[in-house]
Amino acid sequence: AQKVTQAQTEISVVEKEDVTLDCVYETRDTTYYLFWYKQPPSGELVFLIRRNSFDEQNEISGRYSWNFQKSTSSFNFTITASQVVDSAVYFCALSGLFSGGYNKLIFGAGTRLAVHP
Amino acid sequence: ETGVTQTPRHLVMGMTNKKSLKCEQHLGHNAMYWYKQSAKKPLELMFVYSLEERVENNSVPSRFSPECPNSSHLFLHLHTLQPEDSALYLCASSQDWDQGITGNTIYFGEGSWLTVV
Repeated sequence: AQKVTQAQTEISVVEKEDVTLDCVYETRDTTYYLFWYKQPPSGELVFLIRRNSFDEQNEISGRYSWNFQKSTSSFNFTITASQVVDSAVYFCALSGLFSGGYNKLIFGAGTRLAVHP
Repeated sequence: ETGVTQTPRHLVMGMTNKKSLKCEQHLGHNAMYWYKQSAKKPLELMFVYSLEERVENNSVPSRFSPECPNSSHLFLHLHTLQPEDSALYLCASSQDWDQGITGNTIYFGEGSWLTVV
């Protein structure tokens, strides 16, 4: 079955702390894509990253970094030196043939991150 | 500024009303999507249009009726809704909808918050 699990429902941190959001996935595909999206209170889903299953290189973009480990089926997201503007719900998503197509996203339940001053 | 715009942002309607949600994408994409996000369920794909043709209908009740007059516009016509249909309805687009391995990034709008009373 295709499934995305974000076990952390809510995380609360103080500004400048580092925080890691966990994402574990299940898939029968050998080729698949993983995504992270950010949803601020306004509602829009903001695209953060897309990763192909063949590319296990970790990625850093400013204060954001992603750790993709196929061996543990995880695609974790770390925010370094968190800021209040990072407060949002973060979704991990998966797409693959067994999910119905590479443009058909299966979302996790989301992790609500609250960053306090 | 988002490349996918949705109107209205907020809508309150009675169960006997007929209303429509509108989505416009300014990205030159060929595929458009409707997703539903309710409090109790993960994000659910409702409909997919590719080049103005509906290619996916995920067992959505007939009280939701999509329309795609051209590749830039997508509507969701609503009639005789139930209170449990209250949710955030997100429109999205991607370059293409295909079953090949070239998965596209899906870009979302800000959503339309719907309340059915």
